[in-house]
Amino acid sequence: NAGVTQTPKFRVLKTGQSMTLLCAQDMNHEYMYWYRQDPGMGLRLIHYSVGEGTTAKGEVPDGYNVSRLKKQNFLLGLESAAPSQTSVYFCASSSRRTVNTEAFFGQGTRLTVV
Amino acid sequence: EDQVTQSPEALRLQEGESSSLNCSYTVSGLRGLFWYRQDPGKGPEFLFTLYSAGEEKEKERLKATLTKKESFLHITAPKPEDSATYLCAVQAGLIGNQFYFGTGTSLTVIP
Repeated sequence: NAGVTQTPKFRVLKTGQSMTLLCAQDMNHEYMYWYRQDPGMGLRLIHYSVGEGTTAKGEVPDGYNVSRLKKQNFLLGLESAAPSQTSVYFCASSSRRTVNTEAFFGQGTRLTVV
Repeated sequence: EDQVTQSPEALRLQEGESSSLNCSYTVSGLRGLFWYRQDPGKGPEFLFTLYSAGEEKEKERLKATLTKKESFLHITAPKPEDSATYLCAVQAGLIGNQFYFGTGTSLTVIP
């Protein structure tokens, strides 16, 4: 049981380059999330999705786009990377049930923008 | 504004020295409070969910409790392998299951 899988695990980008982070979950969860984690800032929500074909903005959405074309996948895109986007990115998923609603996280993607 | 505050930021304990971590929150429409453990270079790992004031959950040396404004993670007789960052998160909102995280407590247990 893989849970939540993120690719790639590490990436170095030059300022202005673009990239896509892929998140896949095999738990049939309705909700998926992208967070970034920075020292002293905790986990901050970038975008989230409540179902296939739907996305919504979180706390820090600027500079990012997302898509959820399939229920099991949630993509995070950076169109023009900036040094301020250097961070560790985590994908998570959770069920829409009223109990056992905890989020399960991937192992993270460490992104450095130079 | 919804907020989650964890204290202390860092905690060093001798092996066997019990202590507690605090998570205070100000959110409207709380639907659940979660504790996670995060090891360096890894994603957060789920520990507990608490849904209502007075609720308690236990797992090995860890015990989580919840009041109307805060939660405590009690660590009894910790071991070096309990060293990690402990994150608190609250679930709120009417649409989706949005989670708001605190900045965590970094726990170091010294042999």
